[in-house]
Amino acid sequence: RKEVEQDPGPFNVPEGATVAFNCTYSNSASQSFFWYRQDCRKEPKLLMSVYSSGNEDGRFTAQLNRASQYISLLIRDSKLSDSATYLCNGGYNKLIFGAGTRLAVHP
Amino acid sequence: DTAVSQTPKYLVTQMGNDKSIKCEQNLGHDTMYWYKQDSKKFLKIMFSYNNKELIINETVPNRFSPKSPDKAHLNLHINSLELGDSAVYFCASSQEGTGAWGYTFGSGTRLTVV
Repeated sequence: RKEVEQDPGPFNVPEGATVAFNCTYSNSASQSFFWYRQDCRKEPKLLMSVYSSGNEDGRFTAQLNRASQYISLLIRDSKLSDSATYLCNGGYNKLIFGAGTRLAVHP
Repeated sequence: DTAVSQTPKYLVTQMGNDKSIKCEQNLGHDTMYWYKQDSKKFLKIMFSYNNKELIINETVPNRFSPKSPDKAHLNLHINSLELGDSAVYFCASSQEGTGAWGYTFGSGTRLTVV
């Protein structure tokens, strides 16, 4: 099993929709994670951190589920500009990134 | 005043050539990294340097040689380029060696070997 795994998508959603992605991790000792956003032909940019207490920033909410060993990213009221690939990172080996989940928001 | 800057942005070269990519960060971070992102968009760690010292070398062919003259710079030299080296190479930095505070990436170098 890979250290972090993501559903590659794509998730195609209309504007205004709520969408959620998960990232599963294999090492139960993992403490902290991050979500990054990567636009086409650009570098990954840190979106938010995810610790045991979860994190919320405007329309974005990230949570950690230790029992089931996954982290989630919830995006409410999707905008066209949210279209990107979302990468999860962290776990026991913070050098590892998931393969990314592609989100496409359409009008 | 870009935080992590890489040059060149694009690099097209023939098989067998030797090329270098340069990276500089002005964030005062102690640790710098090279990541490779292949055509399937998978981001894979290659090297990590902490304060000029190599701390991670992830089974990368020895044709790849990183060099860190100081903690703000991390260069990547590639000898005898192969078709399979075509990818986007990202430099990154973090406040400390485990990436526990997240990474700041450069804009990437798109390498095409023909």
